Amino acid sequence: EADIYQTPRYLVIGTGKKITLECSQTMGHDKMYWYQQDPGMELHLIHYSYGVNSTEKGDLSSESTVSRIRTEHFPLTLESARPSHTSQYLCASSGGSATNEKLFFGSGTQLSVL
Amino acid sequence: AQSVTQPDIHITVSEGASLELRCNYSYGATPYLFWYVQSPGQGLQLLLKYFSGDTLVQGIKGFEAEFKRSQSSFNLRKPSVHWSDAAEYFCAVGFSSNTGKLIFGQGTTLQVKP
Repeated sequence: EADIYQTPRYLVIGTGKKITLECSQTMGHDKMYWYQQDPGMELHLIHYSYGVNSTEKGDLSSESTVSRIRTEHFPLTLESARPSHTSQYLCASSGGSATNEKLFFGSGTQLSVL
Repeated sequence: AQSVTQPDIHITVSEGASLELRCNYSYGATPYLFWYVQSPGQGLQLLLKYFSGDTLVQGIKGFEAEFKRSQSSFNLRKPSVHWSDAAEYFCAVGFSSNTGKLIFGQGTTLQVKP
């Protein structure tokens, strides 16, 4: 079982609100990721972190921001949510040996912006 | 640019029948290939991965996949499908063996008929 947790599981909010999606892992992994998944579409990497105080943007441009102040915590923030941000957001972390890295996913946050 | 194509958006098979889900990739270097499964309301779970060596890879839940470099394919197979296999399946390509930065295909939804 993967020890990576995302809250909330579902979130419905109005346009213009600031939101933070939480992601925590208890496996001590240095590497963490945020993927965005639109319905019926592939996952796209939007942010990743290889350790505390290290964050990078992924392949898909996103208006969200992330922070990594603690190893176990990798929250994602939208300063002003819009309907175009409606999507599923999946957090993941990876660890293991250099040749046997495993990626663990959380259950996701389904965000709906009205 | 790197990409992953899963030609079949939706597949329906009868319980007990064999299954093959197709995956083609475009990647200039040696690929690191993955298959993930996503059940409704759940995060993604790793079924199997190919880094190097034997091109026939065994995974969990009775799944296997074969890497064919000449065809740029990494098709997933199972000899006898169970009703619990109904889910969405994602093929993914990684840049190296020690990162969770992946490029995902669009996914194939598997429906299992009794």
